Amino acid sequence: QTVVTQEPSFSVSPGGTVTLTCGLSSGSVSTSYYPSWYQQTPGQAPRTLIYSTDTRSSGVPDRFSGSILGNKAALTITGAQADDESDYYCVLYMGSGIWVFGGGTKLTVL
Amino acid sequence: QVQVMQSGAEVKKPGASVKVSCKASGYTFTDYYMHWVRQAPGQGLEWVGRINPNSGGTSSAQNFQGRVTMTRDTSISTAYMELSRLTSDDTAVYYCARDPGSDAFDIWGQGTVVTVSA
Repeated sequence: QTVVTQEPSFSVSPGGTVTLTCGLSSGSVSTSYYPSWYQQTPGQAPRTLIYSTDTRSSGVPDRFSGSILGNKAALTITGAQADDESDYYCVLYMGSGIWVFGGGTKLTVL
Repeated sequence: QVQVMQSGAEVKKPGASVKVSCKASGYTFTDYYMHWVRQAPGQGLEWVGRINPNSGGTSSAQNFQGRVTMTRDTSISTAYMELSRLTSDDTAVYYCARDPGSDAFDIWGQGTVVTVSA
């Protein structure tokens, strides 16, 4: 079974830029996987950030951007703020009506 | 406004079944797929399955096939997810989330806590 991979943790300085990635245990991520990204803080439902690789969800600031970098999907946060400290999840559409989440990245802003 | 509201917390014994509901409002229920996602305590998000509210067609993750049943009642704009043969590993928060038509999830429910305990 294909595993969706994410960095378990990452840290960024306030005002800095960070790129989180979303890959596959076997193969490359392309736009055909419709990668999307979600932010979650403890005790809250996820918040949708990016869908279809690079489309920002309504109300999401343009500090958040999505792309394909090499063989992975990527979420880039520029000008990191304290309240960006959250867990970030990607999900890929595998086809045949099946989606798979990555394990999530815990982002620390310090 | 567009929202989905879930049913309240459940406590079940091992071997039992649980049925969680997700009521949509502010949009045409049958125009958008509805997904189910769960999160065990301290763990990540896990996709459970999806229902087409228009046709009733479903798909689910391999881990849940044979145990999960997703249905809908279009007259009350509500989707349901029933999970059977519960074990302690099914203790989790269960979310419903609307698919805006882009193979993603945009509107999330508030979550339903399901606890499986003897």
